[in-house]
Amino acid sequence: DTAVSQTPKYLVTQMGNDKSIKCEQNLGHDTMYWYKQDSKKFLKIMFSYNNKELIINETVPNRFSPKSPDKAHLNLHINSLELGDSAVYFCASSQRWAGKKETQYFGPGTRLLVL
Amino acid sequence: SQELEQSPQSLIVQEGKNLTINCTSSKTLYGLYWYKQKYGEGLIFLMMLQKGGEEKSHEKITAKLDEKKQQSSLHITASQPSHAGIYLCGAASNFGNEKLTFGTGTRLTIIP
Repeated sequence: DTAVSQTPKYLVTQMGNDKSIKCEQNLGHDTMYWYKQDSKKFLKIMFSYNNKELIINETVPNRFSPKSPDKAHLNLHINSLELGDSAVYFCASSQRWAGKKETQYFGPGTRLLVL
Repeated sequence: SQELEQSPQSLIVQEGKNLTINCTSSKTLYGLYWYKQKYGEGLIFLMMLQKGGEEKSHEKITAKLDEKKQQSSLHITASQPSHAGIYLCGAASNFGNEKLTFGTGTRLTIIP
């Protein structure tokens, strides 16, 4: 059984389009994340949600809007796609415990190519 | 903000040889994660270190966090083709793990 799953795995689209990426986790975690990995393989956090509430928003353009309908899902909607949005987007999840560090488990990634 | 530098950036090793990857932080590490990434796949969790001097092993991979907690090393013994991939270290903040800062990555190639 896949712990953290993302759809689609590949996404090729034209500049200016709007697209969504979906993420689901079946680990029972209460915290989910979106990371972006650029062409140089540098991985950087974008958003983090805890119990459907936004807790981290790392200077990401307003064109990116995460949505968490429930604890097990965190979707990423991107408006007016630009060439620079081409990257691999990873979803991750973890369980948040006060004062304790828990491992983040990652999905397989969504490879977005904007033409 | 915290920065993590990994060295080397890439490594080509003959099968059966040992190797070490280093991760150096600009600030004190409160939790250090090692992940492995293969092309087309997500990040696979390897190990997490929290205490200075801590060392953990899994199969042929050993990771250490130095006493001063600003550097970690990942050592692979008798490397195999299955070890090939990109190794990433990630640092947690001292307040929690909501935000992981990742290193620049080390691409490991194993040649037969």
